[in-house]
Amino acid sequence: QKEVEQNSGPLSVPEGAIASLNCTYSDRVSQSFFWYRQYSGKSPELIMSIYSNGDKEDGRFTAQLNKASQYVSLLIRDSQPSDSATYLCAVNIRGAQKLVFGQGTRLTINP
Amino acid sequence: KAGVTQTPRYLIKTRGQQVTLSCSPISGHRSVSWYQQTPGQGLQFLFEYFSETQRNKGNFPGRFSGRQFSNSRSEMNVSTLELGDSALYLCASSFLEADTQYFGPGTRLTVL
Repeated sequence: QKEVEQNSGPLSVPEGAIASLNCTYSDRVSQSFFWYRQYSGKSPELIMSIYSNGDKEDGRFTAQLNKASQYVSLLIRDSQPSDSATYLCAVNIRGAQKLVFGQGTRLTINP
Repeated sequence: KAGVTQTPRYLIKTRGQQVTLSCSPISGHRSVSWYQQTPGQGLQFLFEYFSETQRNKGNFPGRFSGRQFSNSRSEMNVSTLELGDSALYLCASSFLEADTQYFGPGTRLTVL
């Protein structure tokens, strides 16, 4: 089992709809979770981090964490074509003291 | 606060040569991680340095090496370049190990 798993997509969402991106992880004691966005040919940029169970909102983005089920998700409300990118989930693997990235989900917002 | 910087931004080399890439972390950050990204692939972890010590290493051959200096700046070296080494090499810095990482713009290496 991979330490961090994401559906590679592509995920296609119409403009204005909600895009939902999911990530599961294997380490039960992970404490820190991150979402990054990467445009084609560019480096990843941090969107948000989440540390506690529940929802965390930042503008049109909402991160959701469920430690019991070992998943973290990212919701993008009112999706815009500029949101088209690859979204990377990253999890702090406590035992190995390292940050592990998923393979990323490619998201396309259709006008 | 200045972000992570990487030099050079673009590099063209031929097979068999070696290359050194440089990364300057955000001021105050002590951890530097290196990743390789090829087209359509996710981030492949190379290694992480913290306070001049290599803390974690990915599954790459010994041709890939790195080091970190006392000012936290880091370099990675690839010897005997192969065509498959063509990739975007990303450096990320964080205040602590396994902490929030901030990425530099990357160095795009092309091996001919």
